Amino acid sequence: AQSVTQLDSQVPVFEEAPVELRCNYSSSVSVYLFWYVQYPNQGLQLLLKYLSGSTLVKGINGFEAEFNKSQTSFHLRKPSVHISDTAEYFCAVSAVSNYQLIWGAGTKLIIKP
Amino acid sequence: DSGVTQTPKHLITATGQRVTLRCSPRSGDLSVYWYQQSLDQGLQFLIQYYNGEERAKGNILERFSAQQFPDLHSELNLSSLELGDSALYFCASSVSWDADTQYFGPGTRLTVL
Repeated sequence: AQSVTQLDSQVPVFEEAPVELRCNYSSSVSVYLFWYVQYPNQGLQLLLKYLSGSTLVKGINGFEAEFNKSQTSFHLRKPSVHISDTAEYFCAVSAVSNYQLIWGAGTKLIIKP
Repeated sequence: DSGVTQTPKHLITATGQRVTLRCSPRSGDLSVYWYQQSLDQGLQFLIQYYNGEERAKGNILERFSAQQFPDLHSELNLSSLELGDSALYFCASSVSWDADTQYFGPGTRLTVL
């Protein structure tokens, strides 16, 4: 079975500052990794995904994440945040053999003007 | 707009009642997933259908059932409702049963009083 831990429930950051949202996972099998974003009162939208290949994955809206197998992490980063990035961010994992997503608890990104 | 539609947007009902949530997948998508998002449990995978057949089951209660119809829309039936069933219910769709990208609808917010 897989599990996901998002280490921070909230991350406050000033506008135009860099941000890192942390995600660790555990699994006994190979996994796929995902970051989704949920804007207020909306559904979830895929930001980026790691399936295989390069461990640095670029997504939409200037976000990127790095898969680190030895540390079982998949942290999300953005070099400069904007007020429009205010949202909740979810890390998810699935076993390679299926696409059932197991979700982290979410991290609320709070942008301070 | 993901192309996935869910109705109704909000639903308020009483304990012991039964409700039906409806989902229409993106045009061309054959697979439908149902998720529950609650404050205490977070996001949980409930069930997946592919081309009318049940494909995978997650943490779905026996009081809950789902089906996918020939036109590919899906319904989630929740019966003998309890206060703890209050949550946001998301539907997602993907092209195939093993597609790595799921597209989420805006959700149905269920309140059980």
